[in-house]
Amino acid sequence: GENVEQHPSTLSVQEGDSAVIKCTYSDSASNYFPWYKQELGKGPQLIIDIRSNVGEKKDQRIAVTLNKTAKHFSLHITETQPEDSAVYFCAASSPFGTDKLIFGTGTRLQVFP
Amino acid sequence: KAGVTQTPRYLIKTRGQQVTLSCSPISGHRSVSWYQQTPGQGLQFLFEYFSETQRNKGNFPGRFSGRQFSNSRSEMNVSTLELGDSALYLCASSLDRVGYTFGSGTRLTVV
Repeated sequence: GENVEQHPSTLSVQEGDSAVIKCTYSDSASNYFPWYKQELGKGPQLIIDIRSNVGEKKDQRIAVTLNKTAKHFSLHITETQPEDSAVYFCAASSPFGTDKLIFGTGTRLQVFP
Repeated sequence: KAGVTQTPRYLIKTRGQQVTLSCSPISGHRSVSWYQQTPGQGLQFLFEYFSETQRNKGNFPGRFSGRQFSNSRSEMNVSTLELGDSALYLCASSLDRVGYTFGSGTRLTVV
């Protein structure tokens, strides 16, 4: 069935370093890939997204890359700051163009000052 | 503009009871989706409504139901609550099937 694998489950970095989170999806028909940041006690917040017709997208310190052939997509955060500490989720749109998002299992990012 | 509003924020219910959760989407958004978040299963899709019609449904038992009103506000109902229904229930709204905005969720505890 539909599946999104996310690695690593936890990631600790020093302030100023880069962080990379990777996801793999199972169905090649998936065409929309958002990333969400969830802080304690809050709902997931969309931070960046990419569609299958684009290979890379950047927004300030955040970038997402997509490799459709390998069915991989990754989140890159540069110059990390303590306020980047949160749980990050990748997701893929359900095949057949419905609105269902299949989420990865999350990555807990800790940025140490 | 106002975000997605979910009420109540917290609920404690007893096994066997039923519960209704409410979601007000961002103004102008007609698509509302519901997700269940638990430590063990992560974020799982419950159902999605668009213009008062259920367009998609996840793999949850029939005890989980929902509806959408003409003003796009949505409710979900869980009947005959079980301990395993304890979770954070999240609502998300969208204008055009991408860029979903989530609310802060309703934390349901079943005792």
